[in-house]
Amino acid sequence: AQSVAQPEDQVNVAEGNPLTVKCTYSVSGNPYLFWYVQYPNRGLQFLLKYITGDNLVKGSYGFEAEFNKSQTSFHLKKPSALVSDSALYFCAVRDSSNDYKLSFGAGTTVTVRA
Amino acid sequence: SAVISQKPSRDICQRGTSLTIQCQVDSQVTMMFWYRQQPGQSLTLIATANQGSEATYESGFVIDKFPISRPNLTFSTLTVSNMSPEDSSIYLCSVYRDLNNEQFFGPGTRLTVL
Repeated sequence: AQSVAQPEDQVNVAEGNPLTVKCTYSVSGNPYLFWYVQYPNRGLQFLLKYITGDNLVKGSYGFEAEFNKSQTSFHLKKPSALVSDSALYFCAVRDSSNDYKLSFGAGTTVTVRA
Repeated sequence: SAVISQKPSRDICQRGTSLTIQCQVDSQVTMMFWYRQQPGQSLTLIATANQGSEATYESGFVIDKFPISRPNLTFSTLTVSNMSPEDSSIYLCSVYRDLNNEQFFGPGTRLTVL
């Protein structure tokens, strides 16, 4: 079985401050991890992924995430948040041995205030 | 990335009717999926749309309620049958690209059942 937990329903930060969105996962095999962002009335946009290799992965719009195997975490980070980063963020996981099915976290709403 | 279009983008339907949602991809893909996002909720996988064979449904979803067609490698339809207000959701088509180990989502179809 595979699952994802996003412990925070909401994250509020001031523009220019660092932004962190937390994600922990559970899989029986090796994890493939993803972050997606959803803007109001829009579909999901792919941000970044971890498949293998460097634990720190960089993605779109200045976002990065760090894979931590011992803590089974894949937190999303941005050094300096923008008001335009305000959106709903989803972490997703799949087991590398399964048939490509993603399991999503509940989502975290990020609000960046000017 | 993959360019995915869905029709309709939104609809308001009466209880007891059915709606067919179309998903078109700009290139051939092996894996296509249908997800549901209920209001304020995360994404839940409905089924994997298999080309040339019956779809594979997740627990809690059945073919009679959500019949799926996949006539070729670029197109799929999802029908929501005998609708009730509980079916009000965003329905998203998704495709998987082996080359980049990435999964992309369509813009979604926002369904409201009265």
